[in-house]
Amino acid sequence: GAGVSQSPSNKVTEKGKDVELRCDPISGHTALYWYRQSLGQGLEFLIYFQGNSAPDKSGLPSDRFSAERTGGSVSTLTIQRTQQEDSAVYLCASSPTQGLGGELFFGEGSRLTVL
Amino acid sequence: KNQVEQSPQSLIILEGKNCTLQCNYTVSPFSNLRWYKQDTGRGPVSLTIMTFSENTKSNGRYTATLDADTKQSSLHITASQLSDSASYICVVRPFKAAGNKLTFGGGTRVLVKP
Repeated sequence: GAGVSQSPSNKVTEKGKDVELRCDPISGHTALYWYRQSLGQGLEFLIYFQGNSAPDKSGLPSDRFSAERTGGSVSTLTIQRTQQEDSAVYLCASSPTQGLGGELFFGEGSRLTVL
Repeated sequence: KNQVEQSPQSLIILEGKNCTLQCNYTVSPFSNLRWYKQDTGRGPVSLTIMTFSENTKSNGRYTATLDADTKQSSLHITASQLSDSASYICVVRPFKAAGNKLTFGGGTRVLVKP
């Protein structure tokens, strides 16, 4: 499809396990974002990639969280040693511009449940 | 600190009625303000974008207004439909700031009942 694709759509894991969430942005979009949305809450910024620039990791809540973007396209968000408070929907978005007023195109999200 | 406050947090309206959602922001100067619609279990989708110089922008039954002097925006939904049940998120982008500096409001959850 032509939209932002995220996988898995749902992930249930046990506390302490590592998880990887994948985002495939719209082809040609240079900017990629990860957000976290807890139940009934607003979007929390996690990390931002823009082209070949160093990513802005200022929103990552702890060093258990990391993300990479390979070849300027697909991105993976990794959460190590998951905790119950990590349970949330993780949304990925891409944008066709260098962030200057560009619209964000969101994926459907990956719902993470940590037992 | 840049903030975006939305009100009400939630509201219930009857199908066919109108409603207005509010967004107050402290971001200044700002580049643009967007309203997104987020259906349950889906990602947000942009409804409207307004720049500093614009006062009104419509998208079908959705009309956004902007008062840059009072730093307020509103989203008016006309003749609501069941499909309008969703969360509506106000997002403000500071002037000349990178895309990652967007400030999101907490959203207003709208439920349209038949």
